[in-house]
Amino acid sequence: AQSVSQHNHHVILSEAASLELGCNYSYGGTVNLFWYVQYPGQHLQLLLKYFSGDPLVKGIKGFEAEFIKSKFSFNLRKPSVQWSDTAEYFCAVTPYNNNDMRFGAGTRLTVKP
Amino acid sequence: DTGVSQDPRHKITKRGQNVTFRCDPISEHNRLYWYRQTLGQGPEFLTYFQNEAQLEKSRLLSDRFSAERPKGSFSTLEIQRTEQGDSAMYLCASSLGSIRGSTEAFFGQGTRLTVV
Repeated sequence: AQSVSQHNHHVILSEAASLELGCNYSYGGTVNLFWYVQYPGQHLQLLLKYFSGDPLVKGIKGFEAEFIKSKFSFNLRKPSVQWSDTAEYFCAVTPYNNNDMRFGAGTRLTVKP
Repeated sequence: DTGVSQDPRHKITKRGQNVTFRCDPISEHNRLYWYRQTLGQGPEFLTYFQNEAQLEKSRLLSDRFSAERPKGSFSTLEIQRTEQGDSAMYLCASSLGSIRGSTEAFFGQGTRLTVV
């Protein structure tokens, strides 16, 4: 079955630490890739997206993600996290020409001040 | 606020009752999605509309669930004869799409359903 896997359920970091959250998907064809963030009590917001072109995508708030086609991965990174980055992060995949956006189970990030 | 809005934000209902949720998408968006999210899980796709046409339905959408988007603007999701397993956050999202695919989806705050 087609799926999206996020390997880390809960990540705890201190401020200024570097972050990498893993995301792998199992679709074989062309895909559109997204990272969404959900801050406590708020709705899902788009962090960044990849449709085509440069596989290194920069998003808001200093986040970036790298699409590695051969590894079916789209990992999220940030060089130095802040306390305000505490949130739940969701990777999502939409197969090209398909409108069924599939989400991973999410990774809860806790940043200690 | 010109984002996606959902009503109500919270709904508590007794098992066996029917409930209806409303979603108002961003006005120029032609695509509208319904998702369900339970604790510790990512959103699960339920159904999708392009304008007023319901184009895809997940197998998660049992016969008790029905969704409409009568004029291609707002949408309603109805759950009949609710069960405790229906307790979840129901999310609506909208996007501006084309034949070649969709732009990113914008999400509402969700409707939290509790079936007691």
